[in-house]
Amino acid sequence: GAGVSQSPRYKVTKRGQDVALRCDPISGHVSLYWYRQALGQGPEFLTYFNYEAQQDKSGLPNDRFSAERPEGSISTLTIQRTEQRDSAMYRCASSLSSRGSSNTGELFFGEGSRLTVL
Amino acid sequence: QKEVEQNSGPLSVPEGAIASLNCTYSDRGSQSFFWYRQYSGKSPELIMFIYSNGDKEDGRFTAQLNKASQYVSLLIRDSQPSDSATYLCAVTPYSGYSTLTFGKGTMLLVSP
Repeated sequence: GAGVSQSPRYKVTKRGQDVALRCDPISGHVSLYWYRQALGQGPEFLTYFNYEAQQDKSGLPNDRFSAERPEGSISTLTIQRTEQRDSAMYRCASSLSSRGSSNTGELFFGEGSRLTVL
Repeated sequence: QKEVEQNSGPLSVPEGAIASLNCTYSDRGSQSFFWYRQYSGKSPELIMFIYSNGDKEDGRFTAQLNKASQYVSLLIRDSQPSDSATYLCAVTPYSGYSTLTFGKGTMLLVSP
């Protein structure tokens, strides 16, 4: 497809279970970002990659959260031992590059994965 | 703590009026400023970006930046009901860099 694809769109899990959220960015986009958006809030930065390298993970809330992008394309955000406070919309976004005058900084967001932890 | 502040609204304007959306930010090192529009239940989409002090116009939209006051605004002229959405202000300390700090967003309601 032409846009950023995320799966699953909806995930309901029980507290303590691990979940993996997948993101397939726009073809050719170098940079991939994970954001989390609570209801009524703006997106909150979690982590980002240039190609396969994780450049910044300062937004990950704690060590239960991890992300990878092993081949520089598809990325997986994993949350271990989920807690109710992890419930949110997890949004992936991609951009042509992270820096440079040719880049407007525009992020292309996917439709998100809504996680509900019971 | 880098913060981006927006009035959550809702801001209600009649069709055809000018809607004015405001945003302040705390990080004086911020270099790039963005306005994203988010329809209910949808993902954010970029509508404007601005890097330099002053005004930048694109169709019915005008972004205004005042770095000294740490203030950025978005004006929407001839507002249409289809403009009803949440408008997210976002900033970054880098030119063209996409690790953005978003505000909570302002909900705009344009009545026919």
